[in-house]
Amino acid sequence: AAGVIQSPRHLIKEKRETATLKCYPIPRHDTVYWYQQGPGQDPQFLISFYEKMQSDKGSIPDRFSAQQFSDYHSELNMSSLELGDSALYFCASSPEGGHGTRSSEQYFGPGTRLTVT
Amino acid sequence: ILNVEQSPQSLHVQEGDSTNFTCSFPSSNFYALHWYRWETAKSPEALFVMTLNGDEKKKGRISATLNTKEGYSYLYIKGSQPEDSATYLCASLGGSNYKLTFGKGTLLTVNP
Repeated sequence: AAGVIQSPRHLIKEKRETATLKCYPIPRHDTVYWYQQGPGQDPQFLISFYEKMQSDKGSIPDRFSAQQFSDYHSELNMSSLELGDSALYFCASSPEGGHGTRSSEQYFGPGTRLTVT
Repeated sequence: ILNVEQSPQSLHVQEGDSTNFTCSFPSSNFYALHWYRWETAKSPEALFVMTLNGDEKKKGRISATLNTKEGYSYLYIKGSQPEDSATYLCASLGGSNYKLTFGKGTLLTVNP
């Protein structure tokens, strides 16, 4: 069965550079979520999209932005990278979307490990 | 309870033992409780999503219960096997902004 695809799997950037992470949800899943997991920390919700519109916003820094495209894939854009941005970034998708209806299971991608040096 | 809390933080059991651990979550503005199994170097795998008070769900040797009034869920593993070794995460969907908040997980190690 098709799973959530994330690219790249590993990324090394220097401080103040920009990075773009991509997420391709499971076919027919219309909702995408982004999570950040720092070393030794629990996952933190960043942002989610339903039908190409932002549906929820968590602890996403102003330096980050994201969008969902017409084919439902999503991109997380990170600018002015800081050392503290080094983390594992997970994307998840689910088949139900819209505020207040997220009782479906979220299917996680393999993650992108970002290292900022 | 303002955050999602899981206990114990880690657990070592012998193969064949049954075990259980707890997830506590804010009971106000609750919508759903998710359980995930997370193996090292892999992404979290969804186990259960529960929404109703008194819900019980089962998948093979793993089952879970939900008490939304007091804000807790139990995950049970019957006859633990070494392949059950993983971190078990719970996440609560709720609050005024319907955010999914994760606990820190319970690291289960099953010794052969």
